Order: sequence, then structure tokens, then C-alpha cells
Amino acid sequence: DIQMTQSPASLSVSVGETVTITCRASENIYSNLAWYQQKQGKSPQLLVYAATNLADGVPSRFSGSGSGTQYSLKINSLQSEDFGSYYCQHFWGTPYTFGGGTKLEIK
Amino acid sequence: DVQLQESGPGLVKPSQTVSLTCTVTGISITTGNYRWSWIRQFPGNKLEWIGYIYYSGTITYNPSLTSRTTITRDTSKNQFFLEMNSLTAEDTATYYCAREDTTGYFDYWGQGTTLTVSS
Repeated sequence: DIQMTQSPASLSVSVGETVTITCRASENIYSNLAWYQQKQGKSPQLLVYAATNLADGVPSRFSGSGSGTQYSLKINSLQSEDFGSYYCQHFWGTPYTFGGGTKLEIK
Repeated sequence: DVQLQESGPGLVKPSQTVSLTCTVTGISITTGNYRWSWIRQFPGNKLEWIGYIYYSGTITYNPSLTSRTTITRDTSKNQFFLEMNSLTAEDTATYYCAREDTTGYFDYWGQGTTLTVSS
């Protein structure tokens, strides 16, 4: 199975700051990567697919980048509604696997 | 609008078998270019993909669960199902169904159903 290592596990950031979350795959996943946001008690919601494409309705302050085994999700000018957990997931063959998550707390 | 809704018994005893249902509205599960997955999230928030059923009926499982997992569907009711046997406390989780666009992403998720395995 492809292992997805996500970092950091948690962080506390002030509104207006910029945040970068990283995800490293154990092998090349050829940009077959998605990012999700999950609020407490809710299901995950798609943010980014194919490493760099924003899902419909996702604010432009979110952006995805990366290739090969290294990927990142950047949130510019953090808003209070951005708190929650973030997960990466690869789609380069089954079994699909997820990163361990990043819990984002707003200071 | 596409919506998915899970349902299940909530509580089962160890060694028992559980059946979960995902009811899909807004699109037929036989519509091309989509896969219909089951995913679970453990206490502590780790996510695990369980398996999917393709629009054509082809099924793929996570090898770690294939021996005790069955995914089926009822196209007349636009539902798909997850059956898991030999349950242990380690199967306690929130179970989600989700639609996968074959481009590679889960774009619609159900709200989840909690399954607790306990005597």
C-alpha cells in the first residue's frame, strides 16, 4: 500500500496568516491526490483534486501544488471558517489511502 | 442535487455481521464514470477506504478487508450496501459512503453512520 505522511499533525494560526500543509507519498503518485476539509461532526468535503485543481465553490485562498511524492495545500489569508481538519488522499491505484490529518486551530 | 445517506443498526455485538445501506438520490448509481465507495473513520480520525462498486457493477475491495467485506447494490432502489462479518471492537467507526469521479476524487459524501461493536 502507498503510505501518505501528512504534516504537521496540528497547528494553531491567527486569522489572516498563511498556512501550508504537506503530504508525502511513499512512492510516485503522479499528481493523483486530493485534499479534503472536515469540520467536527461532519463528513469530509473536497477542496482540491488532481493535486492542483480547486473543487467547485472552494475559495481561491486555497491552492494545491506538488508532484511526484511531495504535495502541499496552502491557505492564504486564513479565515475563521477554515478551522477544522485537513486530509490528503491518493488515487494512484487501490487501496486508496489517506494522510493522518492536520488539525487546524484558529488562534 | 446528488445526495448520499447511510443507514445502519448503530450497535452490534462482537463476531456478528453488519449490513449498512447507502441510499443515493439525484443520480443513478449506474451512471457512467462514477464509483461508489465505502470509507470509515475511526475514533482518533484515521480514514480507511473499504471498497467500491463501479457503475458497471465491478467491485474492488481494500485487500486488508476483502476476506470479511461484501459490497452489493440494488439498482432498482438506487442503493448500495456494505456487509462486514466477524466484527470486533476495532471495527467501531463512522462509516461513510461517497461518490468517486473516475478522474480521482470523492466529491459527494453521506453524513456518516456510526457503528459501535460492543457486547
